[in-house]
Amino acid sequence: EADIYQTPRYLVIGTGKKITLECSQTMGHDKMYWYQQDPGMELHLIHYSYGVNSTEKGDLSSESTVSRIRTEHFPLTLESARPSHTSQYLCASRGPGSLNEQFFGPGTRLTVL
Amino acid sequence: RKEVEQDPGPFNVPEGATVAFNCTYSNSASQSFFWYRQDCRKEPKLLMSVYSSGNEDGRFTAQLNRASQYISLLIRDSKLSDSATYLCVVNMEEMNTGFQKLVFGTGTRLLVSP
Repeated sequence: EADIYQTPRYLVIGTGKKITLECSQTMGHDKMYWYQQDPGMELHLIHYSYGVNSTEKGDLSSESTVSRIRTEHFPLTLESARPSHTSQYLCASRGPGSLNEQFFGPGTRLTVL
Repeated sequence: RKEVEQDPGPFNVPEGATVAFNCTYSNSASQSFFWYRQDCRKEPKLLMSVYSSGNEDGRFTAQLNRASQYISLLIRDSKLSDSATYLCVVNMEEMNTGFQKLVFGTGTRLLVSP
């Protein structure tokens, strides 16, 4: 089992609330990622990080922001949640080298009412 | 054109059947390739890496054709538990930054019935 964790697993929240989705890994991986996936649809990369103090936007534009103050921690924040943010958010990490497996957390299923 | 393309399926097969999935990728410089499996409402998990010479893991065989930029996954003797979405994944290096990222296909859905 991969040592990558996400909390909360499920979140139902009202429009306009600020939320932070937590992601942590204990594998010492430098590379971390956030993906967004709607039911039955493909994964979309929304943020990634090379390491501490590095954050980049992914392929899909997102109103969320991320931070990487510690290697093991890569939280995602939505300042003002909207119904269009309803989706599953998957965090992942990967070791060095192009042959390494990418491990995913169990995901946070977000519903914004 | 998408960087990684797959037939979304679904592929409906009976138990015991052999089924093959194909995938094409656009970046000829890609060096590493994978098949991931994703169960409904779960996170993707690595099924197998794909090596240049082809590789086998039990009932699963992966092949790579660099000239055609094509990857395949063959599943023999399908089991009910093989029902899932199979994601073709290609490692790509960003031109500007050199950052390595995995590009996921949309996935091919497999349904194995009794």
